[in-house]
Amino acid sequence: DTAVSQTPKYLVTQMGNDKSIKCEQNLGHDTMYWYKQDSKKFLKIMFSYNNKELIINETVPNRFSPKSPDKAHLNLHINSLELGDSAVYFCASSQGPGTGDYTFGSGTRLTVV
Amino acid sequence: KQEVTQIPAALSVPEGENLVLNCSFTDSAIYNLQWFRQDPGKGLTSLLLIQSSQREQTSGRLNASLDKSSGRSTLYIAASQPGDSATYLCAVRAYSGAGSYQLTFGKGTKLSVIP
Repeated sequence: DTAVSQTPKYLVTQMGNDKSIKCEQNLGHDTMYWYKQDSKKFLKIMFSYNNKELIINETVPNRFSPKSPDKAHLNLHINSLELGDSAVYFCASSQGPGTGDYTFGSGTRLTVV
Repeated sequence: KQEVTQIPAALSVPEGENLVLNCSFTDSAIYNLQWFRQDPGKGLTSLLLIQSSQREQTSGRLNASLDKSSGRSTLYIAASQPGDSATYLCAVRAYSGAGSYQLTFGKGTKLSVIP
């Protein structure tokens, strides 16, 4: 039973395409996150949702749109993909915005060609 | 703006040695601090979580300390093993307003334990 699962694990696509990454957690956590890890391995927050409501929205191009249909799911849709979007995207969850430790998914490696 | 620095960036030690990884942060108004391990091509595994009111946490051969006032944390690994080889990430959680908290990561220390 994977606590935080992301699909797909790998995604190779051409510039200009639109793609989605899905994330689900079965921990009963209220808060979910998307992080981006760039080529230099630096992890940076993109978005955070608490009980389906957006609470953190860092400076990310508006081509990136998160959607949380319920508190167990947080999907990331990316429009008009660019070469610079190539990175590993991690989903994570925590009990609340300020409580509990973080549990991370295994990541989605996105390559834009 | 919170900044987290980890020193050294890479470390290579012979098996069996004890070692210390360092983490420093610029804003001491943190909620908690978490140490993670990342294996190549894998996600992050939580190792230890220290609340701001705590001084240290221990799990097996791992001990993490926190000195909030000086903005420092250390991760001590006793009797290192080749299986400990990974990148170790330090992250601090702080209140960022409007009911939200933000986790800020360091760039990590890449540890290699040589058999």
